[in-house]
Amino acid sequence: GAVVSQHPSWVICKSGTSVKIECRSLDFQATTMFWYRQFPKQSLMLMATSNEGSKATYEQGVEKDKFLINHASLTLSTLTVTSAHPEDSSFYICSATLDRGYPYEQYFGPGTRLTVT
Amino acid sequence: SQQGEEDPQALSIQEGENATMNCSYKTSINNLQWYRQNSGRGLVHLILIRSNEREKHSGRLRVTLDTSKKSSSLLITASRAADTASYFCATDTGGGNKLTFGTGTQLKVEL
Repeated sequence: GAVVSQHPSWVICKSGTSVKIECRSLDFQATTMFWYRQFPKQSLMLMATSNEGSKATYEQGVEKDKFLINHASLTLSTLTVTSAHPEDSSFYICSATLDRGYPYEQYFGPGTRLTVT
Repeated sequence: SQQGEEDPQALSIQEGENATMNCSYKTSINNLQWYRQNSGRGLVHLILIRSNEREKHSGRLRVTLDTSKKSSSLLITASRAADTASYFCATDTGGGNKLTFGTGTQLKVEL
């Protein structure tokens, strides 16, 4: 149980276009999802916390108008990279928490590799 | 911001040997977690240790936590080639279940 999927697993887009990445909790309801980005051979950096039915909370330095997050249901959160540029190329990973008991374990998706040309 | 610093950055050992990775962090924590990431893949949760625990075991994994030194270690015993991956510590400081990840250790286990 507690499986998180991401779609697509990889995407190549042209500079200036927008790309949407989906994160789904397949067998549980997740009121909270997190979005991370990871550059090659580096650690994960938290971008934002996504709560179902409310606005996402962005980490300092993350442009909310650039990275649009929508958590429309208890099983789906989306990250849209708007007007993508080559510097947005990265590995994007989501996670979801099973909000039952503490500490809440985070279950990670397999990641989406974005390449902007 | 980076909460955890891990060392070594890279570690290469022979199959059957033990691997030890260390993580240091800066602020008080509720718990500390260790994750494994195979190249280009998502993260797999390995073990969680609460701030009031000092040691925890899971199979071939042994984690220690020293809150006075703000440090943790992950020991993998009798390593296997399949253990080759990057290992990250992550701290939960109690702020809405957010995790702050360390810099990671790249482990390579050779046959």
